[in-house]
Amino acid sequence: AQTVTQSQPEMSVQEAETVTLSCTYDTSESDYYLFWYKQPPSRQMILVIRQEAYKQQNATENRFSVNFQKAAKSFSLKISDSQLGDAAMYFCAYRANNRDDKIIFGKGTRLHILP
Amino acid sequence: DTAVSQTPKYLVTQMGNDKSIKCEQNLGHDTMYWYKQDSKKFLKIMFSYNNKELIINETVPNRFSPKSPDKAHLNLHINSLELGDSAVYFCASSLRPGPRVFGPGTRLTVL
Repeated sequence: AQTVTQSQPEMSVQEAETVTLSCTYDTSESDYYLFWYKQPPSRQMILVIRQEAYKQQNATENRFSVNFQKAAKSFSLKISDSQLGDAAMYFCAYRANNRDDKIIFGKGTRLHILP
Repeated sequence: DTAVSQTPKYLVTQMGNDKSIKCEQNLGHDTMYWYKQDSKKFLKIMFSYNNKELIINETVPNRFSPKSPDKAHLNLHINSLELGDSAVYFCASSLRPGPRVFGPGTRLTVL
């Protein structure tokens, strides 16, 4: 069965600094998608970034980038120039590219931004 | 302008009551979902519908019943509410295999 593990329940970073959130996953599939979602105090779930497993290039979205290591089954999120608005729960998620339409979420990492 | 909307955003009710949460998406997506987020923030899929057909039906009590009148709507009806049903319920939609777009969530409190 597929699993997604986020080993850091909480992290803190100074404003304007860089922080990396860890995520590992387990799957026997070769074709899949990985996502990072952000959930601020408003509780809205917001897609931050996505990565297709067949793409070797790491996805980037402005200050957000990922380090996708397929062999190691690792998918970490790097936030550069952290801002107060980045404070949120961050969820790593996995979805196999098959008829099974389930997304498996990690347990989340709560990120605090220190002014 | 709202992509995925849910009503109500807050729901407080007594044990034993029956309640419904409505969800609508205007994105033209073909698949809609219900997720439950417990007090520890763990997100778990409950149901998914693709073009009004039930695709995923996880192990949830029979008291929970999804209803999809058309592919833009997926409502969740809960019978005989229990204390353990207190959670945040998220509706989401996607154009497979794209990412989910989530609604704002409904915080259900059962007293």
